[in-house]
Amino acid sequence: SQQGEEDPQALSIQEGENATMNCSYKTSINNLQWYRQNSGRGLVHLILIRSNEREKHSGRLRVTLDTSKKSSSLLITASRAADTASYFCATDDPGGFKTIFGAGTRLFVKA
Amino acid sequence: NAGVMQNPRHLVRRRGQEARLRCSPMKGHSHVYWYRQLPEEGLKFMVYLQKENIIDESGMPKERFSAEFPKEGPSILRIQQVVRGDSAAYFCASSGQGASEAFFGQGTRLTVV
Repeated sequence: SQQGEEDPQALSIQEGENATMNCSYKTSINNLQWYRQNSGRGLVHLILIRSNEREKHSGRLRVTLDTSKKSSSLLITASRAADTASYFCATDDPGGFKTIFGAGTRLFVKA
Repeated sequence: NAGVMQNPRHLVRRRGQEARLRCSPMKGHSHVYWYRQLPEEGLKFMVYLQKENIIDESGMPKERFSAEFPKEGPSILRIQQVVRGDSAAYFCASSGQGASEAFFGQGTRLTVV
């Protein structure tokens, strides 16, 4: 089964609202990463949070990590139509060899 | 510094043909990862390579699929005797020695007709 599981699978909001996506994982990690994928495009790395960090900000993005609950959340504030995309969380395999992705959350921001 | 380059961007193959997907990592990167993304699904790890070595191929189908990362030139993902179920987007990522952050290419979209 997947290491990372995003929740919800799909999210539809109005422009200007905040969007929160959650990710849960199963095994210990070195770090957790969030990626964005626009329809038909490649992945764009958004933010990396290390296992000893609890919160990280980058522009309108805020990521939290709770290693005790093995979960992370991605908050996009003041969403824009251009934020419409799929968002994936990914964790490093404990052996450090590969990054394991969840199935993604599809975010749709209505103008 | 060019990013990860994958080619071709789109590839159409008839059932039974071979598909060769190329990935040139970022300059200075010696680690390459291949992922497959089926329509409406997340990415699935396939294989992790360093120069001239396959480190982890636990996600590779046992038959028809192979990957290499030679000393010179791009990494190649080869799919022999393609079937309709191989239709997917194949992404390559690269990272530097000891780095956690991986940079992705734009992907190759394989369509088997």
